[in-house]
Amino acid sequence: AQTVTQSQPEMSVQEAETVTLSCTYDTSESNYYLFWYKQPPSRQMILVIRQEAYKQQNATENRFSVNFQKAAKSFSLKISDSQLGDTAMYFCAFMKHQGGSEKLVFGKGTKLTVNP
Amino acid sequence: DTAVSQTPKYLVTQMGNDKSIKCEQNLGHDTMYWYKQDSKKFLKIMFSYNNKELIINETVPNRFSPKSPDKAHLNLHINSLELGDSAVYFCASSQNQGTLGSDTQYFGPGTRLTVL
Repeated sequence: AQTVTQSQPEMSVQEAETVTLSCTYDTSESNYYLFWYKQPPSRQMILVIRQEAYKQQNATENRFSVNFQKAAKSFSLKISDSQLGDTAMYFCAFMKHQGGSEKLVFGKGTKLTVNP
Repeated sequence: DTAVSQTPKYLVTQMGNDKSIKCEQNLGHDTMYWYKQDSKKFLKIMFSYNNKELIINETVPNRFSPKSPDKAHLNLHINSLELGDSAVYFCASSQNQGTLGSDTQYFGPGTRLTVL
């Protein structure tokens, strides 16, 4: 079974600094996709970034980048130049194929607070 | 324009009642999902539908019955509500492109259900 582990329930960072959120996963599949979603206090689930396992290059989206280590099954999210609006729950997710559909398997989340 | 919308955003009801949550997406996607987020923020899939056909049913009690009148809508009906049903329910949609992981899932704003 696929599992996703986020070992940091809570983290904090000063505005403008860099923070890294960790995520590890377990799978026997060779090709898969990984995602980071952000959930601010508004409750909306917002896609931050996605990574395709067969691509060696780490995905980046503006201030957000990942460190994808396939052999170690690690998928950490780095947020550079943290902003107050980055305060949110961050969920790591693994996409699993099931039947004719796919589902996201989520980690338990990391609550990130950006301090002024 | 809202891509994935849900109604209502908040729902407070008594134990034993029957209630429905509606979801609509205007993205032209052919796959829709229901996820449940519990009080500890843990997100787990409940159902997925592809072109009105049930694909994934994650051992959800049969008091929960999804209904898809067309591929743009996926409603969730809950019978005989219990205290443990209190949670935030998220609808999501994706375009099944036939390639694993190519379907990024886009989430609605969530419905907070409180059972008293």
